[in-house]
Amino acid sequence: RKEVEQDPGPFNVPEGATVAFNCTYSNSASQSFFWYRQDCRKEPKLLMSVYSSGNEDGRFTAQLNRASQYISLLIRDSKLSDSATYLCVVNPQGAQKLVFGQGTRLTINP
Amino acid sequence: EAQVTQNPRYLITVTGKKLTVTCSQNMNHEYMSWYRQDPGLGLRQIYYSMNVEVTDKGDVPEGYKVSRKEKRNFPLILESPSPNQTSLYFCASSLWQGGMNTEAFFGQGTRLTVV
Repeated sequence: RKEVEQDPGPFNVPEGATVAFNCTYSNSASQSFFWYRQDCRKEPKLLMSVYSSGNEDGRFTAQLNRASQYISLLIRDSKLSDSATYLCVVNPQGAQKLVFGQGTRLTINP
Repeated sequence: EAQVTQNPRYLITVTGKKLTVTCSQNMNHEYMSWYRQDPGLGLRQIYYSMNVEVTDKGDVPEGYKVSRKEKRNFPLILESPSPNQTSLYFCASSLWQGGMNTEAFFGQGTRLTVV
């Protein structure tokens, strides 16, 4: 089983729609969680950290479910500029590294 | 401006010709790492460094070397590149706090082709 698993997609949704991704992780003692955004052939950039209580940043909401070992990202009122690959990132306990999921590719259509 | 700078951005080389990809960060981060990104495989860690003179293997270290003589620099060395090292490479740095990685900042990437 991979340490971090994501549905690679692609997800094609119309502008204005709400879209959600999940990501599962295998290490139950993982400590920190992030969503990164990566545009084609560019470097990944932090979208948001994911806290136990969940957090929201404008149209983006991230949730953590420790019992089921998954994190989610919800994008409301999607924009064309949201088209990108979204990477789920986990810092497993005891591991001196960040583990990246394969990424979920999202395309927002006009 | 906080940034991670890696060079070159693009490189085409021949099998066996030693090359170095440089990486420098200006945020005084302890933790630096190198990743390669290949289609369908995502980002995989090659090597990482917890601080000056402290380096360790990541998930795919074969064929690579690194050094950390100064806190800001973390070069990636390919002593004898082979075609299977053709990939997109990223350097990243982050704070190491309380036994956890914080936000990672990435360089712009180096697209390497080995022929």
